[in-house]
Amino acid sequence: ETGVTQSPTHLIKTRGQQVTLRCSSQSGHNTVSWYQQALGQGPQFIFQYYREEENGRGNFPPRFSGLQFPNYSSELNVNALELDDSALYLCASSRGQGARETQYFGPGTRLLVL
Amino acid sequence: DAKTTQPTSMDCAEGRAANLPCNHSTISGNEYVYWYRQIHSQGPQYIIHGLKNNETNEMASLIITEDRKSSTLILPHATLRDTAVYYCIVTVQGAQKLVFGQGTRLTINP
Repeated sequence: ETGVTQSPTHLIKTRGQQVTLRCSSQSGHNTVSWYQQALGQGPQFIFQYYREEENGRGNFPPRFSGLQFPNYSSELNVNALELDDSALYLCASSRGQGARETQYFGPGTRLLVL
Repeated sequence: DAKTTQPTSMDCAEGRAANLPCNHSTISGNEYVYWYRQIHSQGPQYIIHGLKNNETNEMASLIITEDRKSSTLILPHATLRDTAVYYCIVTVQGAQKLVFGQGTRLTINP
């Protein structure tokens, strides 16, 4: 157990809808990263939040957006869902930005877009 | 971040040591080697990381060659629960963006 929790565990949406996924980071961790993992692939970095500010973004369109709250929990929002957005969405938290810091992953939210 | 190369799949007998290789020939002097594993449909689990020296923790040992161009993750007494995809990642900062490749699918056989 990493102490990182995500909700919901599973979700089914239809194309064009919007979705919000939630992540609670491990206690004492101020950095949250989000990853998308398509079936059979490794996770791909979406973006990271550090102390409530976006701190790096991967190659994802603007319809993927996020928030980090003062308690360091985080949300991932995806607008105008497409079929290819079907994936496992993972969040990971870390204690800070130091070189030797480690990211600890939650169990993920599995999103299916029909 | 430097790119890594891992075998697609490996098998190991239960109770034996599992040795998972990783090539990272373009690694820079300030890049760390991190290992994660992912058991089916779960989030990746951190295993170990190192810079130059060999490292050991309760889960595994990490052996980094002197030129740092390759490393080996060792699970000393593999169990069936070690069946997973193992990812070797090279990064300047472990807290920042992690670039996952395809990893090595390790199967532990009874």
